[in-house]
Amino acid sequence: DAGITQSPRHKVTETGTPVTLRCHQTENHRYMYWYRQDPGHGLRLIHYSYGVKDTDKGEVSDGYSVSRSKTEDFLLTLESATSSQTSVYFCAISDRVENGYTFGSGTRLTVV
Amino acid sequence: GDSVTQMEGPVTLSEEAFLTINCTYTATGYPSLFWYVQYPGEGLQLLLKATKADDKGSNKGFEATYRKETTSFHLEKGSVQVSDSAVYFCALNNDMRFGAGTRLTVKP
Repeated sequence: DAGITQSPRHKVTETGTPVTLRCHQTENHRYMYWYRQDPGHGLRLIHYSYGVKDTDKGEVSDGYSVSRSKTEDFLLTLESATSSQTSVYFCAISDRVENGYTFGSGTRLTVV
Repeated sequence: GDSVTQMEGPVTLSEEAFLTINCTYTATGYPSLFWYVQYPGEGLQLLLKATKADDKGSNKGFEATYRKETTSFHLEKGSVQVSDSAVYFCALNNDMRFGAGTRLTVKP
């Protein structure tokens, strides 16, 4: 997707290890979001940011933390990964919430 | 809290059939409403949106009308193609809520 990239695309990690996922944008959009996608649940919001160093919790924030030290980067950290965090993680950006989002291609995370 | 409810799938149609995917919402105030589409192995793409009551969003032959009186935003297309096979998500910008998604398969 133009202007937003996620890394890595795939990752397998062991239970109890820390994991950081990166979202990078070149659109200079104010808002950035992390969602997880699981069968039967659609997308659920983990954390979001409305500016540099301004973040807030979403619906399923337990076990996750985020940081946004620059406009273009939004990091999602699993401090100690658990099997319940096996999921596909999507980053999204927006300039105005009423305009909708642009999504990244996703990161498939498997915790074994 | 605010929420979005979509019709459960999967939905299987023959090519050129008429499509309706139902979406209803519960929200405070006057949210913007969206439909997103996700093709296999990809992220979601914004398909269409409506920002106020009675607005009709449209794109690629799909359309949806913001009905405040019935709190609905149903997605329709008059003649589906095989290439429309995907998962469709209804969403509103209050609390950044998404529906569970409806998988559409169109057969030749």
